[in-house]
Amino acid sequence: GAGVSQSPSNKVTEKGKDVELRCDPISGHTALYWYRQRLGQGLEFLIYFQGNSAPDKSGLPSDRFSAERTGESVSTLTIQRTQQEDSAVYLCASSFGRGSTGEQFFGPGTRLTVL
Amino acid sequence: AQSVTQPDIHITVSEGASLELRCNYSYGATPYLFWYVQSPGQGLQLLLKYFSGDTLVQGIKGFEAEFKRSQSSFNLRKPSVHWSDAAEYFCAVGAWNTDKLIFGTGTRLQVFP
Repeated sequence: GAGVSQSPSNKVTEKGKDVELRCDPISGHTALYWYRQRLGQGLEFLIYFQGNSAPDKSGLPSDRFSAERTGESVSTLTIQRTQQEDSAVYLCASSFGRGSTGEQFFGPGTRLTVL
Repeated sequence: AQSVTQPDIHITVSEGASLELRCNYSYGATPYLFWYVQSPGQGLQLLLKYFSGDTLVQGIKGFEAEFKRSQSSFNLRKPSVHWSDAAEYFCAVGAWNTDKLIFGTGTRLQVFP
C-alpha cells in the first residue's frame, strides 16, 4: 500500500493477557517510530528504529513493553501482562531518514482496550 | 528541559471565522517545528514545517504558521475556517541533533456552522 498500515485497528483484551500490534511502514522508509496516545493527551514516544542500528528504547514505560523490526520492514510492538493503564491508541510512523527533521507518516493506529 | 506547550485544550469557532492555535516551545538547540493534524479515526498528517529562512511558512489546506524566536512560539493560523477543519492539532519540535520529535498535548478544534 501507499501509506503506513497498522493491525488490528481495534483490540480488546483482558488484564494480564499479552498483545501484539503490527506496523507496516512505507516501503523504503528507514526510520520507524511507535507512540502511545492516551485519551486527551499528546503523543508519547515509545521506541525508534533506524535502519540496522540498535533501537532507541528510551520511551518504553516498563519491561512489559518490547518491539522488534525486521530489517527496514514490518515492526511488532508487544505488551505482556497487559494492565488497564495500557489502554490507549498506539500509533506507528515511518520516515525516510530522520523523523526529527523530515516528515513522519503516521498509520491510523491501533486502539487497545484492556478490561 | 525540552518541551512543547499548547495552552488551548479545546477551541470552538464558527465556520468562516479566522483561527489561531498557539504553540510555545522550550528547546536548547535551534528548533525544527512542525504542525500535524489528526482527523477523527485517522493518523496524523503533516500540515507544515519550519527549519530555517522565512519565518512565515505556508502549509496545506490553507494553513500558515509564523516562527517567532523571541517569543519561542510557532502559532498556526487560518484566515477562514471550514467545517472540515474540525480535528485535533499537534505542534511538535525536533532538531538536527536528535532523532525524536517532542509533541504537544494537542488542541481540539470544533467548528460550528
